[in-house]
Amino acid sequence: NAGVMQNPRHLVRRRGQEARLRCSPMKGHSHVYWYRQLPEEGLKFMVYLQKENIIDESGMPKERFSAEFPKEGPSILRIQQVVRGDSAAYFCASSPGSGHGYFGPGTRLTVT
Amino acid sequence: GNSVTQMEGPVTLSEEAFLTINCTYTATGYPSLFWYVQYPGEGLQLLLKATKADDKGSNKGFEATYRKETTSFHLEKGSVQVSDSAVYFCALKDANTGNQFYFGTGTSLTVIP
Repeated sequence: NAGVMQNPRHLVRRRGQEARLRCSPMKGHSHVYWYRQLPEEGLKFMVYLQKENIIDESGMPKERFSAEFPKEGPSILRIQQVVRGDSAAYFCASSPGSGHGYFGPGTRLTVT
Repeated sequence: GNSVTQMEGPVTLSEEAFLTINCTYTATGYPSLFWYVQYPGEGLQLLLKATKADDKGSNKGFEATYRKETTSFHLEKGSVQVSDSAVYFCALKDANTGNQFYFGTGTSLTVIP
């Protein structure tokens, strides 16, 4: 059973471009969480999704950020018009429901 | 609300020294508690967990006991190795507040030979 997969592992974008981060949960997991880790900080919750539904997006910035988890395919975190402050590591976690989350290796976004 | 407070690092120890990383929490309900480890350039890996008061989680020589009376979940290891060098995150998850994890800021550990 493959673990949580994220791609790309490293992403470089210029200011104003769009960034798309993908997360494939573990097989059988229907719950996905996105977290952001800024340099020298812990992980901060962004959004919690189940298949085709956003359950909790209380940690998502109101503008430029969106997330989806379609019926088929990976979960996508999209950041439009990136700014330097978006540079961070973005981690995805999946779970079958309750219990601990399995984390992916993360996508390190650098905005130049 | 929910929050986790970890002792600040970085922590540097000699090989075979005793390790304690303090973690205290605030929670509105009855959370589960976790320690995650992040090796350089990698994602977080679950190290151990405890789901109710007085439970002890253990793995790879690491231990932590869920202490409700002191709202703590301190991580300990009797004899650290160089390979334990990593960042350690304490976290809680409370099913009453949406299943998200609340993480501490992480404690960087370096073990020198």
